[in-house]
Amino acid sequence: GNSVTQMEGPVTLSEEAFLTINCTYTATGYPSLFWYVQYPGEGLQLLLKATKADDKGSNKGFEATYRKETTSFHLEKGSVQVSDSAVYFCALSTYFGNEKLTFGTGTRLTIIP
Amino acid sequence: DVKVTQSSRYLVKRTGEKVFLECVQDMDHENMFWYRQDPGLGLRLIYFSYDVKMKEKGDIPEGYSVSREKKERFSLILESASTNQTSMYLCASGGRDTQYFGPGTRLTVL
Repeated sequence: GNSVTQMEGPVTLSEEAFLTINCTYTATGYPSLFWYVQYPGEGLQLLLKATKADDKGSNKGFEATYRKETTSFHLEKGSVQVSDSAVYFCALSTYFGNEKLTFGTGTRLTIIP
Repeated sequence: DVKVTQSSRYLVKRTGEKVFLECVQDMDHENMFWYRQDPGLGLRLIYFSYDVKMKEKGDIPEGYSVSREKKERFSLILESASTNQTSMYLCASGGRDTQYFGPGTRLTVL
């Protein structure tokens, strides 16, 4: 079956540091890959996505590249801000008409000034 | 602006009570989903629906049921709440390759 493994947290960084959160996946077929973010007290919102191999998703300074050969979709940002403190979820879907998502366990990120 | 709303942000119920969690979306999506979120476990799919009156079990359906009488509304039902159902419940609706989430309901069962 499908599964997503992401970096254990929590992760604490200083403002302006470089961020990487690792995500690898196992899936049948050709999945779409996502990063969702959950800010304190809120639901999840889509941060970025990639739907085929070698695609790069980007948003708000975050990037992730769909690597089929390593089955990975690592999230990166060059310079984090305090406002990036949140929980980040890697997810995949294999589209069979109902877009079921399989999520990783989430990584809590805290940025200190 | 797309919107998924959930009937309550916080709910406290007693063991054995019947609990209804309501979710409404305004995007005319066919697909709707119920997840529960627990620390260290991420999000786990309880049930989903791909059309009115249609439902499919997710990964952890035991102890839950759902109802979808109208396209915009998807209800999660706990027939007899138990303490191990204390959790954050998230509703989502899905367009192609994107799911939109509600703010969540934090349910505590005493």
